[in-house]
Amino acid sequence: EAQVTQNPRYLITVTGKKLTVTCSQNMNHEYMSWYRQDPGLGLRQIYYSMNVEVTDKGDVPEGYKVSRKEKRNFPLILESPSPNQTSLYFCASSLASPLGTSGRSGELFFGEGSRLTVL
Amino acid sequence: GDSVTQMEGPVTLSEEAFLTINCTYTATGYPSLFWYVQYPGEGLQLLLKATKADDKGSNKGFEATYRKETTSFHLEKGSVQVSDSAVYFCALSPYGGSYIPTFGRGTSLIVHP
Repeated sequence: EAQVTQNPRYLITVTGKKLTVTCSQNMNHEYMSWYRQDPGLGLRQIYYSMNVEVTDKGDVPEGYKVSRKEKRNFPLILESPSPNQTSLYFCASSLASPLGTSGRSGELFFGEGSRLTVL
Repeated sequence: GDSVTQMEGPVTLSEEAFLTINCTYTATGYPSLFWYVQYPGEGLQLLLKATKADDKGSNKGFEATYRKETTSFHLEKGSVQVSDSAVYFCALSPYGGSYIPTFGRGTSLIVHP
């Protein structure tokens, strides 16, 4: 079954304790991305990756890191979490080609979300 | 830069009522347009899409038409059900250039029996 898998789904942690949210997709997608969803603010993009070893900042990258060592995995790292990073996080992937080489962008496939609380 | 504007919610309707959720966009060229739906406790999933002007996307009784002249992609359904209660996101993907999708803020729909 084609899917995007995130872990953990729920996490409560304390300020400053490093954590990683994993994301894996089994569709051989080039494009992967992380979003956070907050009430009244909708979806905001944190980081995205066009392909292996190619990552770039989205709208709200401060306090986050990512890596793309393998095509299927795109972990989100919070080196020193703070309470303002309490949010619902979504990973997404797509077949869309980078830099418009295919001429058209495809749909995004989302994970089920990871709800993070930083105390 | 690109932007998507959706009507603010929540939208509250009775079952079998007609639904319209407005979406307008700003983008250069001919973006692809999408509606995503997020049911409670779940991730977003694609509801429908349109890739060129005058295309109509449809799925599960929902429809939206890509209107280049008004830069709009309004979501409609003739008769909503309680099970349609969810958050709906309008989104666009640019044609060519750097592929970075842009989402609207989402519109919550609540359908009462």
